[in-house]
Amino acid sequence: EVQLVQSGAEVKKPGESLKISCKGSGYSFTSYWIGWVRQMPGKGLEWMGIIYPGDSDTRYSPSFQGQVTISADKSISTAYLQWSSLKASDTAMYYCARRGIAAADAFDIWGQGTMVTVSS
Amino acid sequence: QSALTQPASVSGSPGQSITISCTGTSSDVGGYNYVSWYQQHPGKAPKLMIYDVSNRPSGVSNRFSGSKSGNTASLTISGLQAEDEADYYCSSYTSRWVFGGGTKLTVL
Repeated sequence: EVQLVQSGAEVKKPGESLKISCKGSGYSFTSYWIGWVRQMPGKGLEWMGIIYPGDSDTRYSPSFQGQVTISADKSISTAYLQWSSLKASDTAMYYCARRGIAAADAFDIWGQGTMVTVSS
Repeated sequence: QSALTQPASVSGSPGQSITISCTGTSSDVGGYNYVSWYQQHPGKAPKLMIYDVSNRPSGVSNRFSGSKSGNTASLTISGLQAEDEADYYCSSYTSRWVFGGGTKLTVL
């Protein structure tokens, strides 16, 4: 079964760092781009950025450039999203999603989401 | 790049058809056939329903169809069912992705 499994919910304080993960299985992890999407409470979807695990080519949305870092470890089929200094406004659900090949403009497989709560 | 414009809500009765619009510009929706649609049930991850304006992934019901005219894309759901009640998001790809604000579908 093709799936993306994300790490569990996190509760952090402002200023702390965080790295969440997304592990792919059931397909060739290095052949598909992995994107990250933010969904703030009660709000819509926002594209954050994308990485190609095969060569770590990474692109960011201008809105998130410099705010987060996307990386991948192809040896363990895992992509990451990290923050160096969290803010309360980072509180959101974060999804990783696989960019399709036949559906190259879309994300065909999604992780279950990781809820990040930042509160003092 | 601004978010695409969707109606906040639409509703319909079981068996009816509804259409959700997604308006962009000639630089995104109007300029490329790279519009996709996602369904999201409460507390769940989004699910791809339509890609490349009108293509359905394997396993998606043929009650779901997509189209585009000018700068506006549309998702039509025919034979509405209770399980279709969800939030729907459009997205446009132009070397980066932008999503619409989402539309809440209520099945009356």
